[in-house]
Amino acid sequence: AQTVTQSQPEMSVQEAETVTLSCTYDTSESDYYLFWYKQPPSRQMILVIRQEAYKQQNATENRFSVNFQKAAKSFSLKISDSQLGDAAMYFCAPPRRNYGGSQGNLIFGKGTKLSVKP
Amino acid sequence: DTEVTQTPKHLVMGMTNKKSLKCEQHMGHRAMYWYKQKAKKPPELMFVYSYEKLSINESVPSRFSPECPNSSLLNLHLHALQPEDSALYLCASRPRGLAGLTSSTDTQYFGPGTRLTVL
Repeated sequence: AQTVTQSQPEMSVQEAETVTLSCTYDTSESDYYLFWYKQPPSRQMILVIRQEAYKQQNATENRFSVNFQKAAKSFSLKISDSQLGDAAMYFCAPPRRNYGGSQGNLIFGKGTKLSVKP
Repeated sequence: DTEVTQTPKHLVMGMTNKKSLKCEQHMGHRAMYWYKQKAKKPPELMFVYSYEKLSINESVPSRFSPECPNSSLLNLHLHALQPEDSALYLCASRPRGLAGLTSSTDTQYFGPGTRLTVL
């Protein structure tokens, strides 16, 4: 079975501090996108950031950035200057294994629940 | 605009009822998805429509019946559900259909979900 590992079920960070959420995955694809989504208590899945696997440059989106290590199949999310509104479940989403060619569908890790302390 | 809408927000039904969930997007997206999410779990893929054709069915029981009447609308018809089917049902869409090379158009955009309770 395809594995996506988010090794930290829960994390806590002080407001204004920095936190890093880890994710490792397996894939046989060479060209793909990876995503981080957040799901606050409202339950809507919200795109946080995406990374193109063939780009060596790590993606950044305001206070969110990734550390993408393609060979190691590692895709961590760094949140800088954490805010109370960042409290949510964060899901790593690499490409879903597909038989017969890439379709770019996603598989989700088990999630990391992030709490932000004031 | 990256809005996907879902109705209803909440649904309570008995095991003998027939009900439907609705998902709509007006972004011209060519792939639409149904996911099931149990509490404290990640979303699990159920169905994928590409260019209004059912492309992926993840061995979902026949009591769940998807339908894609047009490129903007996705329905999930429910019949004879079990209490274990209670979950959050998420709809998503993406620009690219299930063909062609991977690109940023693989990005999926989610609706707010329908919270289903089966009594």
